[in-house]
Amino acid sequence: SAVISQKPSRDICQRGTSLTIQCQVDSQVTMMFWYRQQPGQSLTLIATANQGSEATYESGFVIDKFPISRPNLTFSTLTVSNLSPEDSSIYLCSVDSGGAYNEQFFGPGTRLTVL
Amino acid sequence: QKEVEQNSGPLSVPEGAIASLNCTYSDRVSQSFFWYRQYSGKSPELIMSIYSNGDKEDGRFTAQLNKASQYVSLLIRDSQPSDSATYLCAVNRSNYKLTFGKGTLLTVNP
Repeated sequence: SAVISQKPSRDICQRGTSLTIQCQVDSQVTMMFWYRQQPGQSLTLIATANQGSEATYESGFVIDKFPISRPNLTFSTLTVSNLSPEDSSIYLCSVDSGGAYNEQFFGPGTRLTVL
Repeated sequence: QKEVEQNSGPLSVPEGAIASLNCTYSDRVSQSFFWYRQYSGKSPELIMSIYSNGDKEDGRFTAQLNKASQYVSLLIRDSQPSDSATYLCAVNRSNYKLTFGKGTLLTVNP
């Protein structure tokens, strides 16, 4: 499986600021995904990021709050804008294996705390 | 009805026993099914994938799928304390998106 890294691994931010999270993959992948995992909860898909096209957002998530870039086949960023304490979560990127059954592999995650 | 349901647990088993984790899903068009293990403070790790009805074995892990009953399970044989984690069931419909259950917390007692 691909090796996935995320930066930063954790951050503490002030209300009203923004945080940009980077996701780097060691091989080219078509589909990358961004998830949120709130404390004690399961994973919720924020958006799908495909290279060369706009990200596709899930219900309840909007581009103004979670802008995503996908400049090439190995890299993506997620920005969480206008932070509030409710945004305190773990943010995870994942990649599709490219196989017939769409297995996904996750990066190590970014733990965000908003004060 | 929730799309993917799991008992939240905690499920507690003694070391060496079989741990049985269950998952049901609501969408009959679902095609691929996955079990992820998540240690506290870590990201999910894919441990089993299953696509066809029946059993699939990999080491101490066996995944079972019954599409007619919309049911998928994970058996862990000879459970070890290192198996203590949250196990997430994920379902892939006809698209590439995964829907996750809330996870079952497993504790294996020495």
